[in-house]
Amino acid sequence: DAGVTQSPTHLIKTRGQQVTLRCSPKSGHDTVSWYQQALGQGPQFIFQYYEEEERQRGNFPDRFSGHQFPNYSSELNVNALLLGDSALYLCASSFEGAPQPQHFGDGTRLSIL
Amino acid sequence: ILNVEQSPQSLHVQEGDSTNFTCSFPSSNFYALHWYRWETAKSPEALFVMTLNGDEKKKGQISATLNTKEGYSYLYIKGSQPEDSATYLCAFRSGNTGKLIFGQGTTLQVKP
Repeated sequence: DAGVTQSPTHLIKTRGQQVTLRCSPKSGHDTVSWYQQALGQGPQFIFQYYEEEERQRGNFPDRFSGHQFPNYSSELNVNALLLGDSALYLCASSFEGAPQPQHFGDGTRLSIL
Repeated sequence: ILNVEQSPQSLHVQEGDSTNFTCSFPSSNFYALHWYRWETAKSPEALFVMTLNGDEKKKGQISATLNTKEGYSYLYIKGSQPEDSATYLCAFRSGNTGKLIFGQGTTLQVKP
């Protein structure tokens, strides 16, 4: 039973470029959340997708957008990259319903030059 | 703004020592409190999801308690081992939202 998988593992971009990160949730999960983790901080919530809709959003600019597909996989898109977007991006999946842990992938390390 | 605070920020103990960390969170509109263990180069691993005031959870030598009225949770590790070395994160979930608000973590280093 595969857990949460994210791709790519590492990515290097330059300022102003655009990037797409991908996430496949754990089997049986229907909800995907994205987090940004900067060095020395805890993960910061970006947004959550359920039934292909953005259900909740954290304090991130519109440059950050996402999508959820019918198979529950998800993408995170970031436009007009800034140096400050350098971080580890984590995807977590869960099953909608009673409080359950979110299961995390290994993350995508994004470096902006 | 909802803040989740963890203390201490880092901890160095000897193998066999017992240790504990604190997570403070807002006492209003509580839904759940999550604990994760995050080892270097791995993904965060769920330890506990706690929902009821007074709840106590145990997994091996790790246990956690919850006080929702005063807004804190303790994580205890009895007889730490080098393999317990990791960053321990707590995350607060309010109301009926799916958003987790994480603390900055407590990094534990257990020396053999």
